[in-house]
Amino acid sequence: DTGVSQNPRHKITKRGQNVTFRCDPISEHNRLYWYRQTLGQGPEFLTYFQNEAQLEKSRLLSDRFSAERPKGSFSTLEIQRTEQGDSAMYLCASTSGTGSYEQYFGPGTRLTVT
Amino acid sequence: RKEVEQDPGPFNVPEGATVAFNCTYSNSASQSFFWYRQDCRKEPKLLMSVYSSGNEDGRFTAQLNRASQYISLLIRDSKLSDSATYLCVVNMDSSYKLIFGSGTRLLVRP
Repeated sequence: DTGVSQNPRHKITKRGQNVTFRCDPISEHNRLYWYRQTLGQGPEFLTYFQNEAQLEKSRLLSDRFSAERPKGSFSTLEIQRTEQGDSAMYLCASTSGTGSYEQYFGPGTRLTVT
Repeated sequence: RKEVEQDPGPFNVPEGATVAFNCTYSNSASQSFFWYRQDCRKEPKLLMSVYSSGNEDGRFTAQLNRASQYISLLIRDSKLSDSATYLCVVNMDSSYKLIFGSGTRLLVRP
């Protein structure tokens, strides 16, 4: 499968715990995006990388959230001291940054904070 | 005010019907426009890009009116498999980050 992959697909955690999600983009794509989607809403932009550089962060990304893309390939999103309001689907997308700029989404990681 | 606004629906239509969705966006600097489709508990997938001249892909027609900041999607001859949420999407700058509407749910009944 050469699409965007995300792990884990589901994560249940207790409030206050830290969680980390991983995204593997399509191999030749240099841009990688993180979005968050809650029930009944469209995805909301969190942050994006061009290669290893994190170029923009949404104000939604509080200081409890951190994202990395250390070698310009896979990316991780960490949430520290999780809160119930963090429960959502976390989606990763990638694009080549040329041509149509179509973003290809991964299947998402569904986080439930109890 | 949300940057991209859509009627949440649901639109409940019989097979074979024609259905139209509308969307408005608030930022006149928006550069690119799309319709994405999202099935329940799945990731969004690009349905079609939207151009000022309008564009058609089979049973799907998209229109953009920059002056009114309005985007539409027309689905002809609805199929059961068209049942999904349709997301109106714009991007505004060189980051190409996507700004999504809340989605319009379509239910096509037999």
